[in-house]
Amino acid sequence: EADIYQTPRYLVIGTGKKITLECSQTMGHDKMYWYQQDPGMELHLIHYSYGVNSTEKGDLSSESTVSRIRTEHFPLTLESARPSHTSQYLCASSIQGSDSPLHFGNGTRLTVT
Amino acid sequence: AQTVTQSQPEMSVQEAETVTLSCTYDTSESNYYLFWYKQPPSRQMILVIRQEAYKQQNATENRFSVNFQKAAKSFSLKISDSQLGDTAMYFCAFMTPNTGNQFYFGTGTSLTVIP
Repeated sequence: EADIYQTPRYLVIGTGKKITLECSQTMGHDKMYWYQQDPGMELHLIHYSYGVNSTEKGDLSSESTVSRIRTEHFPLTLESARPSHTSQYLCASSIQGSDSPLHFGNGTRLTVT
Repeated sequence: AQTVTQSQPEMSVQEAETVTLSCTYDTSESNYYLFWYKQPPSRQMILVIRQEAYKQQNATENRFSVNFQKAAKSFSLKISDSQLGDTAMYFCAFMTPNTGNQFYFGTGTSLTVIP
């Protein structure tokens, strides 16, 4: 299994709170991604990064931010959590290269009450 | 538009039998890569198999093989000798280098292997 770690595994939080979902990988991958996963739906790209100090918005980037200060670390922050943010969040990474597959973390299941 | 369609939300198969999961996709790109990912319950999503679109030969990985029909934009996954550990969600995906290596995923097929 890939060496990519997400914490916390589960999180229940109240509306309006600021939260940060952590993602770290020990493989030296340049590319990192955040996806939102809901049952019966395709994965939606929230943010991605091609390397240190590089971040880009995906399809669902509103209301969240990311940073990439170190290669191995790619945290996702929700400034003000809302019930609509309740979902599973998957972090992934890959090496440079056109056919490189994604390596996924275990995910963070977020519930906003 | 780049889309992936998995028309079978749920499937089941008897242990030791063979099952095929369907996937169709749409892209105007000529260069792309196709993937099948497996997500067991409450566990990490892992790569099952991948196929380069420029290769005509179907990829195989042990009990897993694909039927890649480029003209039809079809990329089905065949699992032979199904095992209980194959129970999982299976996601079809493709990636296009010309659009920043973006990945496009289907909605998944939930496969249950029945003992």
